[in-house]
Amino acid sequence: GDSVTQTEGLVTLTEGLPVMLNCTYQTAYSTFLFWYVQHLNEAPKLLLKSSTDNKRTEHQGFHATLHKSSSSFHLQKSSAQLSDSALYYCALSAGRNNNNRIFFGDGTQLVVKP
Amino acid sequence: EAAVTQSPRSKVAVTGGKVTLSCHQTNNHDYMYWYRQDTGHGLRLIHYSYVADSTEKGDIPDGYKASRPSQENFSLILELASLSQTAVYFCASSDPTTENTEVFFGKGTRLTVV
Repeated sequence: GDSVTQTEGLVTLTEGLPVMLNCTYQTAYSTFLFWYVQHLNEAPKLLLKSSTDNKRTEHQGFHATLHKSSSSFHLQKSSAQLSDSALYYCALSAGRNNNNRIFFGDGTQLVVKP
Repeated sequence: EAAVTQSPRSKVAVTGGKVTLSCHQTNNHDYMYWYRQDTGHGLRLIHYSYVADSTEKGDIPDGYKASRPSQENFSLILELASLSQTAVYFCASSDPTTENTEVFFGKGTRLTVV
């Protein structure tokens, strides 16, 4: 069935270093991928989304490229800021045959230190 | 602006008591979800619904019931609250007619069972 895998539960890095959060997925029908961000004591909200193979999508300094050949949609940023500390979810839309139900990964906690 | 409103925002319940969490959306979305989030962990799907008067079990439905009396309203019911159900609960909605669909979350309900 459809699923999303985020291999890192926790990523800790120093301010100014690059960020890369991994996301791979499995789906039989659809390939619409999302990244959501949840700051402390807030609700998750959409960060960026894509369905186009090999096209870079950017928003708020973050970017991700959907690679259908490797079923990946990794989230990257060139230079981490303290304010980037949050919980990040990769998500997949399961396609029309599954009523476009959304599947979330387990989330990656990003901690940026000074 | 799409809106999902949860009530109450926080609640303290007694073990064995009945708890009802309410959710109202003005997005005109057919899909609604209830997620549970434990401290430091990801979202886990409890129940969801893609049409009024019908609900589906998610990944962790045991101990919970759901009710969808109208398109706008979706409730989560804990008939016999237990200590293990202490968590933050998020309601969400999305449009199932398109893959390019953002999930909109409420601000969450912090439930403490004592």
